[in-house]
Amino acid sequence: QVKLVQSGAEVKKPGSSVKVSCKASGGTFSSYVISWVRQAPGQGLEWMGGIIPMFGTPNYAQKFQGRVTITADESTSTVYMALSSLRSEDTAVYYCARGEQWGPQNYWGQGTLVTVSS
Amino acid sequence: DIQMTQSPSTLSASVGDRVTITCRASQSISSWLAWYQQKPGKAPKLLISKASNLESGVPSRFSGSGSGTEFTLTISSLQPDDFASYYCQQYSSFPMYTFGQGTNLEIK
Repeated sequence: QVKLVQSGAEVKKPGSSVKVSCKASGGTFSSYVISWVRQAPGQGLEWMGGIIPMFGTPNYAQKFQGRVTITADESTSTVYMALSSLRSEDTAVYYCARGEQWGPQNYWGQGTLVTVSS
Repeated sequence: DIQMTQSPSTLSASVGDRVTITCRASQSISSWLAWYQQKPGKAPKLLISKASNLESGVPSRFSGSGSGTEFTLTISSLQPDDFASYYCQQYSSFPMYTFGQGTNLEIK
């Protein structure tokens, strides 16, 4: 059974960076799309970017270009999302999610709360 | 970029009601549309893919329709467990995705 387990909550200062991990188990890892989706408090879902580990080239939403970096480590079935130049508006729950190529996300991690506060 | 617009933002309904949520795309996305349900404090759950394909285990009271730019999610007879937020998502521009802004379905 597919499971995505994310790293724990983070508290960061404005201007700093955060790196969240997402470890996959059960099923094939490399050929699926791993996406990162965030949700600010009381707000909707926002797709940030994704990667297909076997190809290694990430894709990012325009809003996050230049600030987000998504990488994959096939040896540990782990995908990472790093977000830099943090500001208070980046306070959100960050989810990783898996889907097939040309498909939506049908498996989700438990979410990681990132709080940006001075 | 493809924009997704959902309506209404909030929907008040009672158990047993039939409800419909609409999602419009800024350009044609064929049938590359998914619907998710999200409950407070939980990750989203995929309900429907390819506009009308019900995921395994999703009750048959949920249905999706539409193609091109206009789509609907219908719940035929609301159950207490259905009060949640619902999001549409386009994946026509794979590997880029876009969510609608969400619909909060609340108890009247």
